Amino acid sequence: DQQVKQNSPSLSVQEGRISILNCDYTNSMFDYFLWYKKYPAEGPTFLISISSIKDKNEDGRFTVFLNKSAKHLSLHIVPSQPGDSAVYFCAANFYNQGGKLIFGQGTELSVKP
Amino acid sequence: SAVISQKPSRDICQRGTSLTIQCQVDSQVTMMFWYRQQPGQSLTLIATANQGSEATYESGFVIDKFPISRPNLTFSTLTVSNMSPEDSSIYLCSGTEETGGYGYTFGSGTRLTVV
Repeated sequence: DQQVKQNSPSLSVQEGRISILNCDYTNSMFDYFLWYKKYPAEGPTFLISISSIKDKNEDGRFTVFLNKSAKHLSLHIVPSQPGDSAVYFCAANFYNQGGKLIFGQGTELSVKP
Repeated sequence: SAVISQKPSRDICQRGTSLTIQCQVDSQVTMMFWYRQQPGQSLTLIATANQGSEATYESGFVIDKFPISRPNLTFSTLTVSNMSPEDSSIYLCSGTEETGGYGYTFGSGTRLTVV
């Protein structure tokens, strides 16, 4: 049972434009949602998170939106830069279940100059 | 946040052998986890490494195959035992000082190929 899903394996965007990465989940009991960025041969790097009690969190060029009724979250990157090219994972966790993360399958973002 | 050093970064192993992966954290973390990322797939949690006691394994993973140690709050090992080609994956450790929505740090991963 895939509780966190990223249905787009890849996304290509022009430099300077907006990148929108999507994530769906099935369990309404998740407490936090996180986005990670991963380059080849490196571990995932934390980008931004959002609590289930909020619907938006912003950090510089990165904004995460949460739509609880639709069980959907999205990561917006504006403006996109070539250095943003990486695999992006969304993840969710249960605060009272030891903090383990459940990951989506990842979306490979390519930002073209 | 904590910095995690993981080694080896990659290895090629013969089937039937075992490999131990180490993670050293530069500060004390309350929780450590081990993940596996099979080719083209997501990160799947193997187990939670508990300090001074047996790890807590997720469904589909067992201690005989993936023994884990965590002798203190800054160090953990994962052993992949009696390896087969199906064990070829990237293995990652993670640590956090808290269980909230931030603070999870990952090691750089171990790319394992079993031949």
